[in-house]
Parts: sequence; structure tokens; C-alpha cells
Amino acid sequence: GAGVSQSPSNKVTEKGKDVELRCDPISGHTALYWYRQSLGQGLEFLIYFQGNSAPDKSGLPSDRFSAERTGGSVSTLTIQRTQQEDSAVYLCASSSPTDPGLAGFYEQYFGPGTRLTVT
Amino acid sequence: AQSVTQPDIHITVSEGASLELRCNYSYGATPYLFWYVQSPGQGLQLLLKYFSGDTLVQGIKGFEAEFKRSQSSFNLRKPSVHWSDAAEYFCAVDSWGKLQFGAGTQVVVTP
Repeated sequence: GAGVSQSPSNKVTEKGKDVELRCDPISGHTALYWYRQSLGQGLEFLIYFQGNSAPDKSGLPSDRFSAERTGGSVSTLTIQRTQQEDSAVYLCASSSPTDPGLAGFYEQYFGPGTRLTVT
Repeated sequence: AQSVTQPDIHITVSEGASLELRCNYSYGATPYLFWYVQSPGQGLQLLLKYFSGDTLVQGIKGFEAEFKRSQSSFNLRKPSVHWSDAAEYFCAVDSWGKLQFGAGTQVVVTP
């Protein structure tokens, strides 16, 4: 079946503008994650949605970052008033079952990422 | 606090030679450990995982990894590398449902 998809693949924006990044998880996957990959910070967790539970936002670097997940499927990561340090590849991942006892619970499948460049 | 350390930033290996990538973790309980590979311009692909049981786990593309609790290590190995194995490799530990990654090891394969 189809994997995790992300759009756009590349985004160039001017400092101070808002951007929205989209993630379509694998159909049926209940958990969705956003990570950021940058030269200085490596791979960092941003936010995690699991079913209908409140999201884990502990990795969001500032209040300029927010994310929502509509209908338990598609997610949008929004960065307001972008700064140059926001330039990075934003990766989305999804995982399947809701039962931690199942082996697949912790397997995250990643999309190709959105490369964001803030000029 | 949990952490993952990949001591080698960059490794160069000849095609056909063996490869071992090191990963050390700091985690209070039994860790769930992963190795991912990222080819240029690509997303992350899961190579293998360790949850429990056998400490030697087999993955895709001929890779294997051994969990050693006494050394807090989860090293990745391949007996004979191919040019297509040139990529960046990330070790990760699950931390309450979120992945915490090491800094990555860049592997260069020479003819």
C-alpha cells in the first residue's frame, strides 16, 4: 500500500511568513509523529498524536510551532513568523496499532520529508 | 535522561568489507531499539528493531544488530558491504512512544 506522504517536498519562504506542511499517514495508522532534521540539531522529535488522545507537544521548540490532526488522519504542521533557524527537513511518521503489547506498535514509518528553507 | 550515542560520525569502508556501526544508549528500563538508514534525499527506512528476546536481531538488506545489556550497546553489522549501502545510519531508542535518535553515522563505500 501507499506509504507516508508529505507535501510540499520543498518550500522556500521569506523570514516572517507563515508556512504549513502537510502529512498523509499510512491508512489506518493511529499514531502520527513530526520530527525535524537539521544540521545543527540532528533528528529531533516535535509532536506526537495518538488516536483521540491529547497530543504530546513536548518537542515543539517555541509557540510559533503548532500542529493539528483532522479526522484522525491528515496532519498539518504550522510554523508562524518563520525564522532562519527553522530551516530544516521536517519528517512525518506514522505507526499502526494502539496496543503497546503488539510488536508493530513502536515501528514508525517515515515520509520523504519537506525541506524548508527560510531566506 | 535517556540518550543515544553514535561515537563515529563518519566511516569509510571498502566494498566487500565488513561494517560495524556503534550505538550506545542510556535508558532506565529495557529499551526498544532501532536502526534506521537514510539514503541521500530520502526518508528514514527501518533496518531492524529490538524489543526483547534474542539479542541478535536480523534486519533487511543483510544487516544484523546485537543487543548487549552489559555494555548498553546495540551495534549494527553487515558482513560484506555493497556500494548501495552508502548512506547515513541512525540508532534510536523509543522514549514513551517517541524516537530519540543518535547523531548518525555517515558511511562511505569505496571501490
